[in-house]
Amino acid sequence: GENVEQHPSTLSVQEGDSAVIKCTYSDSASNYFPWYKQELGKRPQLIIDIRSNVGEKKDQRIAVTLNKTAKHFSLHITETQPEDSAVYFCAASTEQAGTALIFGKGTTLSVSS
Amino acid sequence: NAGVTQTPKFQVLKTGQSMTLQCAQDMNHNSMYWYRQDPGMGLRLIYYSASEGTTDKGEVPNGYNVSRLNKREFSLRLESAAPSQTSVYFCASSESGYNQPQHFGDGTRLSIL
Repeated sequence: GENVEQHPSTLSVQEGDSAVIKCTYSDSASNYFPWYKQELGKRPQLIIDIRSNVGEKKDQRIAVTLNKTAKHFSLHITETQPEDSAVYFCAASTEQAGTALIFGKGTTLSVSS
Repeated sequence: NAGVTQTPKFQVLKTGQSMTLQCAQDMNHNSMYWYRQDPGMGLRLIYYSASEGTTDKGEVPNGYNVSRLNKREFSLRLESAAPSQTSVYFCASSESGYNQPQHFGDGTRLSIL
């Protein structure tokens, strides 16, 4: 079945720096890749997603890139702020999992001021 | 518009007790999911229901049962709780089909002694 690997598991940056989180997936049929942000004790919330017919998508300080040939996708956060500190999860959707998503294990991002 | 509502928010059980976690969504979504979240393990799919009347196993179904009561409600049952089932349980829903974002509830924090 699908396997999603996420790196790094922890990431510490200074306020104003950029942060990049990378994910790889195993099923070449996967075609939907969302990113979720989870603050401590809260629910995961969708922050951006990309579909396989698009190579890059931006939303203000957040961008996601997709390389289907290499089977990896990345989350880019520019001009980081302390409120960006959270756990970020990538996920992939594949028909093998029905309508479900397969999640990576998460990246804990800490932004220090 | 409440989104996805989970009850209870917290629960402590003794080994061997049974319990049903409730989930309801008011977004007219067709698909619903149950995940468990453990430290360092990300979100792991327990069961999902692609549409009313169907349920399928996910990655970690052992020790759990589910019921899709109607389009709005999807319950998760632990028949004989074990300490290994101590976790945070999240319910989620999505519109239908593949490649759709999932919306999460606030979670149920379950401890089994």
